[in-house]
Amino acid sequence: GQQVMQIPQYQHVQEGEDFTTYCNSSTTLSNIQWYKQRPGGHPVFLIQLVKSGEVKKQKRLTFQFGEAKKNSSLHITATQTTDVGTYFCAGPSSGGTSYGKLTFGQGTILTVHP
Amino acid sequence: EAGVAQSPRYKIIEKRQSVAFWCNPISGHATLYWYQQILGQGPKLLIQFQNNGVVDDSQLPKDRFSAERLKGVDSTLKIQPAKLEDSAVYLCASSRDRGQYEQYFGPGTRLTVT
Repeated sequence: GQQVMQIPQYQHVQEGEDFTTYCNSSTTLSNIQWYKQRPGGHPVFLIQLVKSGEVKKQKRLTFQFGEAKKNSSLHITATQTTDVGTYFCAGPSSGGTSYGKLTFGQGTILTVHP
Repeated sequence: EAGVAQSPRYKIIEKRQSVAFWCNPISGHATLYWYQQILGQGPKLLIQFQNNGVVDDSQLPKDRFSAERLKGVDSTLKIQPAKLEDSAVYLCASSRDRGQYEQYFGPGTRLTVT
């Protein structure tokens, strides 16, 4: 079945440093979504990328979708303590009747030291 | 707009007992999802409903798990009998429809099976 892998599993940074997490799919994706889960919280939608090579920015966050639509990245510039949490990528699972079903990566846990 | 509601927030039961979780999605959302999230992993889809019909339950352990979405609104997920490995957070999510739509997650129910 489809697999979505994320690296690294953990990332510890000093406040102000940059952070990047990478997402790789075993299959070509029609789109990819990113979610953030704060400690003790639930996943919250951040963004969706649809086009090959697409780049989107949200303040200090930059999201990129690979040209082959099999990989994606999230880059945070100048991390802040509010960025702490687990970042998940999720791609649609293959299969006709499972339209809308997402396969989540295992997430990257970001810790920011003040 | 009210978010996805879930109850209870926490539940502790002994193995072989039964438990039920309740979810009220965002008003008007046609698609409802139940996920299982084990500590340190990404959410894993258990079942997806479109209105009151099941779209995907391929990863639902049907010998012990059951779910229903009567009238296409609220949903309940039941485990009977529970096993130790069922200890996890059970997340309910909803989206406007099937397809490339963001999913809104509820706060989850943390289940501990002893």
